[in-house]
Amino acid sequence: VQLVESGGGSVQSGDSLEVSCAASGFTFNTFWMSWVRYSPRGGLEWVAAIKDDESEKYYMDSVKGRFTISRDNARSTLYLQMRRLRVDDTATYFCTRGPQVLDHEWSLFDDWGQGVLVSVYS
Amino acid sequence: NFMLTQPHSVSASPGKTVVISCSVSGGFIERNFVQWYQKRPGRAPAPVIFENTRRRSGIPDRFSGSVASSSNSASLTISGLRPDDEADYYCQSSIGNTWIFGGGTKLIVL
Repeated sequence: VQLVESGGGSVQSGDSLEVSCAASGFTFNTFWMSWVRYSPRGGLEWVAAIKDDESEKYYMDSVKGRFTISRDNARSTLYLQMRRLRVDDTATYFCTRGPQVLDHEWSLFDDWGQGVLVSVYS
Repeated sequence: NFMLTQPHSVSASPGKTVVISCSVSGGFIERNFVQWYQKRPGRAPAPVIFENTRRRSGIPDRFSGSVASSSNSASLTISGLRPDDEADYYCQSSIGNTWIFGGGTKLIVL
């Protein structure tokens, strides 16, 4: 399994940015995928999740209405479109395979990319 | 609000055993699986325990997980501490279609 993020950068508060994740080594269109972010102050935070067929999408409260998770199964690529970025969105964004599902219960985020840094300045 | 609370840091000497707790509030520990992730500086998080007690492939049996309904909490136990166990450890669970991480515990190997 390989997950390779790209598209990070430094932007001003209020700007938009899209990060991508190229997946390989597994059947992408059969797995839920998620974005999880990390900052030294905030620790790990789950940001958004998308079902294998895109029929379900979920977001953490603070990004609802600003962030959009999507995927292109033909290209095995996951996206996170981020709008109206805020300083407190500054973090390393990880693409992760999961959550896995076991007997209708949520399980782990099992494989992770190396992360991409998004820095928002005021 | 569903929350997972961890101690800020724990420390122990090499060879000793350490327990990192993860206390649940706003929900019940037995309702959803708990996972534990190791986070080293500059590295991606790596699962060590999933579905409460299962070790990820390649994780030594020095690592174990448990849940206790009586205290509404989960625990990660690391025995035979080694210097390279020093890292941040995060518990994670879910409620509905929201996935929550604890605040993380810094493990210091003295």
